[in-house]
Amino acid sequence: AQSVTQLDSQVPVFEEAPVELRCNYSSSVSVYLFWYVQYPNQGLQLLLKYLSGSTLVKGINGFEAEFNKSQTSFHLRKPSVHISDTAEYFCAVRPGGYNKLIFGAGTRLAVHP
Amino acid sequence: EAGVAQSPRYKIIEKRQSVAFWCNPISGHATLYWYQQILGQGPKLLIQFQNNGVVDDSQLPKDRFSAERLKGVDSTLKIQPAKLEDSAVYLCASSLDHRTREQYFGPGTRLTVT
Repeated sequence: AQSVTQLDSQVPVFEEAPVELRCNYSSSVSVYLFWYVQYPNQGLQLLLKYLSGSTLVKGINGFEAEFNKSQTSFHLRKPSVHISDTAEYFCAVRPGGYNKLIFGAGTRLAVHP
Repeated sequence: EAGVAQSPRYKIIEKRQSVAFWCNPISGHATLYWYQQILGQGPKLLIQFQNNGVVDDSQLPKDRFSAERLKGVDSTLKIQPAKLEDSAVYLCASSLDHRTREQYFGPGTRLTVT
């Protein structure tokens, strides 16, 4: 069965510092990988996705993620965070051949001034 | 392009009452999804429609939850009777078709069962 583990439930960071949000997945088949962001009282917004090709994926708002097949990881990074990046971040996988998204439990990023 | 619309945004009911949520997907999107997001957890798929047919409802608690998409456009999710553990945010999403990898999410309905 496929599953997603987000290793940190909360990540506090100071403004302009770099951040990495970790995501590991388990799957016996090839997968597509996604990061979504959820601001308070809003739905999920797609940050970036890995479907195939280059393992380094760039998304919106200066975020990027790297797919590592051998480590089954898809960590999200940003070199310099802003207060406005404070939100909940969800990693999700979609096993190839299926249209079901399986989400991790989320990581709450709190950016402090 | 208008996004996925959901209503109501908030609902408070007592246990054993009934409740219904409405979703209008992005125009032209054939696939519609309902997710349940319990506080502190990631969204969990409840049901997926392709046009007006059900593709996957394996995680829908069918003794109390029902959903329909009669004309292949908007959809209604119902809970009858509600339990305390149904307190959650119910998210609706849509995609162009079942092969499209990107899903677009609505703002959600926050249900509180007291």
